[in-house]
Amino acid sequence: AQSVTQPDIHITVSEGASLELRCNYSYGATPYLFWYVQSPGQGLQLLLKYFSGDTLVQGIKGFEAEFKRSQSSFNLRKPSVHWSDAAEYFCAVGLNNNDMRFGAGTRLTVKP
Amino acid sequence: GAVVSQHPSRVICKSGTSVKIECRSLDFQATTMFWYRQFPKQSLMLMATSNEGSKATYEQGVEKDKFLINHASLTLSTLTVTSAHPEDSSFYICSASPNLGLSFYEQYFGPGTRLTVT
Repeated sequence: AQSVTQPDIHITVSEGASLELRCNYSYGATPYLFWYVQSPGQGLQLLLKYFSGDTLVQGIKGFEAEFKRSQSSFNLRKPSVHWSDAAEYFCAVGLNNNDMRFGAGTRLTVKP
Repeated sequence: GAVVSQHPSRVICKSGTSVKIECRSLDFQATTMFWYRQFPKQSLMLMATSNEGSKATYEQGVEKDKFLINHASLTLSTLTVTSAHPEDSSFYICSASPNLGLSFYEQYFGPGTRLTVT
């Protein structure tokens, strides 16, 4: 079945540590890929997106993501996490029929 | 950057009443608008897609007579929850795109509306 999977429901990292949030998808063609961040009670903010070209994508707030076709993955990374990065992170896939499908989300907690 | 607003941000209504949520694109023309529903600690579920001047397209399992969507102008879409029940309590998020097709190329999300039905 077509799906977007974020295997980690909750991740805790120390401030200043590196971060990697995993995302896998199972769609036939190369999809359009997104990472969004949601603070409590807020809407979604786009961090970065991949449509084609360079598989390493730079986003806002120091985030980057790498598209790996062989692994059907689009993992989000940040070399040094700040306390303000604590939030819910959603991976999403854009489909050719105009739909966008979201993963279940990963909640990030940042320890002082 | 493109801004999408939602009003109200929070609403409490009694069971059996109807409530309207507005979604506005403030600085661009939203050819396509989307309505999502998000349950606590869960992901966003697409409810419906609307194009300005056309009837909304609802996702499977979403009652179109209960969730009325109107996209009468290029800057405004409304979601009306009719005869609301406690199980309709949720966080409703809209998004808007200036594109007709492949809207996710440019899709901007509103801040969401917390609906509580008592």
